Amino acid sequence: IVMTQTPLTSPVTLGQPASISCRSSQSLVHSNGNTYLSWLQQRPGQPPRLLIYKISNRFSGVPDRFSGSGAGTDFTLTISRVEAEDVGLYYCMQATQFPQTFGQGTKVEIK
Amino acid sequence: EVQLVESGGGLVQPGGSLRLSCAASGFIFSSYSMSWVRQAPGKGLEWISYISSSGDSIYYVDSVKGRFTISRDNAKNSLYLQMDSLRAEDTAVYYCARDSSGYNWGQGTLVTVSS
Repeated sequence: IVMTQTPLTSPVTLGQPASISCRSSQSLVHSNGNTYLSWLQQRPGQPPRLLIYKISNRFSGVPDRFSGSGAGTDFTLTISRVEAEDVGLYYCMQATQFPQTFGQGTKVEIK
Repeated sequence: EVQLVESGGGLVQPGGSLRLSCAASGFIFSSYSMSWVRQAPGKGLEWISYISSSGDSIYYVDSVKGRFTISRDNAKNSLYLQMDSLRAEDTAVYYCARDSSGYNWGQGTLVTVSS
């Protein structure tokens, strides 16, 4: 399954919202009814960190300004008000079918 | 607190072997599937292998099939990746991750394949 993210770079103003889109080449609905679409953040020089799993479930400790939505093949990560610490790369990842695959990554930077 | 600590990386010549380890703590290791993911210098994330909680189900990306072997020891709370016939294109930081959804990640261990 090919995961395609847009945009690849997102210049944002502090305090303003940001959205990242992720499209899969086929439906991510598993035979068990779940959709295994995650969003990860990777700050410069750091390992990835899970933000959202199964489309819209915020992982433990993740600020509520991060939210996920979507269904089937189209998904979105939204940051309601960007903060300086949100700078970094964001990846969508599907775990519905092996091999698991990632999007190319979207760089969020401050204008 | 969940902790995943990778070790075993280093410099190896093409055709050589390495064994990576991932020591887990802070959760019931035997209840979770685990994965290995790598990141080549300046590149994106690439999933390479998965093992179920019991070790009964194992998957690999095509580029490492027949060369890499994933395993786990639930008694030792440890995950492993045996890497044989290493190539220059295997050069990357290797991360272990809890659950196929990527709940937690280690800091990574760097593998450099070069003569």
